[in-house]
Amino acid sequence: DIQMTQSPSSLSASVGDRVTITCRASQRIGSYLNWYQQKPGKAPKLLISAASSLHTGVPSRFSGSGSGTDFTLTISSLQPEDLATYYCQQSYSSPHTFGQGTKLEIK
Amino acid sequence: EVQLVQSGTEVKKPGESLKISCKGSGYSFTTYWIGWVRQMPGKGLEWMGIINPADSDTRYSPSFQGQVTISADKSISTAYLQWSSLKASDTAMYYCARGEIWFDRWGQGTLVTVSS
Repeated sequence: DIQMTQSPSSLSASVGDRVTITCRASQRIGSYLNWYQQKPGKAPKLLISAASSLHTGVPSRFSGSGSGTDFTLTISSLQPEDLATYYCQQSYSSPHTFGQGTKLEIK
Repeated sequence: EVQLVQSGTEVKKPGESLKISCKGSGYSFTTYWIGWVRQMPGKGLEWMGIINPADSDTRYSPSFQGQVTISADKSISTAYLQWSSLKASDTAMYYCARGEIWFDRWGQGTLVTVSS
């Protein structure tokens, strides 16, 4: 299985901050990388597919980049509603493994 | 509106069998794969497997192969996840989601609690 490692595991930031979460794959996965947001007590939601394609309805402050083994999710200006856990997922080969998650708290 | 609606909370005893469901609506059910994701209490997301409702082609994570069965009935736009003999370690929230390469719609989740 391809292992996905996210960093940091948790972070605390202030409203308006630029926030970056990284995801590293244990082998090259091209651009087969997706990002999800899970708010407390809710089902996950797709933010970004194929490393950098913003899903319909997702605010433009979210962006994704990277290819190969290293990927980044960036929130350009953190909002209170961004309190959530963020997961990356590779879909290059089955099983389509998730990262362990990054819990984002608002200061 | 695209929706995936899952069956309700289950409380079971170890050794019992269970089948939970995920009904799709608002789109052509056979056009998209359906996947299942486990989330144990306080933990992250685990990809269990996916099924193509059009032909029932199924792929399992090795971690779940032989432990669960994924199926679908395209005539009623419903996918299933089933266990033949539950364990306490199966206690978790289970989500269905639409898609093969990414999951663009998710069900609300089914909480399964297994306890003697």
